[in-house]
Amino acid sequence: NAGVTQTPKFRILKIGQSMTLQCTQDMNHNYMYWYRQDPGMGLKLIYYSVGAGITDKGEVPNGYNVSRSTTEDFPLRLELAAPSQTSVYFCASSYDGLGAKNIQYFGAGTRLSVL
Amino acid sequence: KQEVTQIPAALSVPEGENLVLNCSFTDSAIYNLQWFRQDPGKGLTSLLLIQSSQREQTSGRLNASLDKSSGRSTLYIAASQPGDSATYLCAVRPQVNAGGTSYGKLTFGQGTILTVHP
Repeated sequence: NAGVTQTPKFRILKIGQSMTLQCTQDMNHNYMYWYRQDPGMGLKLIYYSVGAGITDKGEVPNGYNVSRSTTEDFPLRLELAAPSQTSVYFCASSYDGLGAKNIQYFGAGTRLSVL
Repeated sequence: KQEVTQIPAALSVPEGENLVLNCSFTDSAIYNLQWFRQDPGKGLTSLLLIQSSQREQTSGRLNASLDKSSGRSTLYIAASQPGDSATYLCAVRPQVNAGGTSYGKLTFGQGTILTVHP
């Protein structure tokens, strides 16, 4: 019962490098989300997707890109990494029906440092 | 713009004590409110979800209340245990839009770091 799986768990990038954070879920959820969490702060939404082929910007999308070619996968792409992107990144998914199906399930996170 | 604030930022209590964590939000037009637990180096785990039409939800030793009109929620933890030590976050989801969904876009508070010592 894997739930939401994120890889890698840790990564150090040099300024200007690019990378893709992977996220996959096995719960057949329609909705998927990417958040970032800076120290001592709450989570901020980067991008979200309501289904395969459909994505939209969240609160802090600059410097990131996403794609959703399948229901299961929602990768987050960082182009030209900057120190301001040093953060912990969380992927989440939800069925997003009514009531209990609103609950978002989170991965364990990817800790990224840009030096 | 919705803003969510949690007080206190950190709390340290002896084992067995009952405690209350507070969450306030500026826009009362919410669809629901969730309380999450985050353990160090781990993701978030949903504890309780309260729909906007509800006043409270209970799960074991946890009780969450919601006063939408005043923009407040509290998480009550009874008989605290060292295993309750974690960061607790609240998050609100905006009211459903005319299209029938708010796409689950949560706004989070900064969290309360709870330490329960033996």
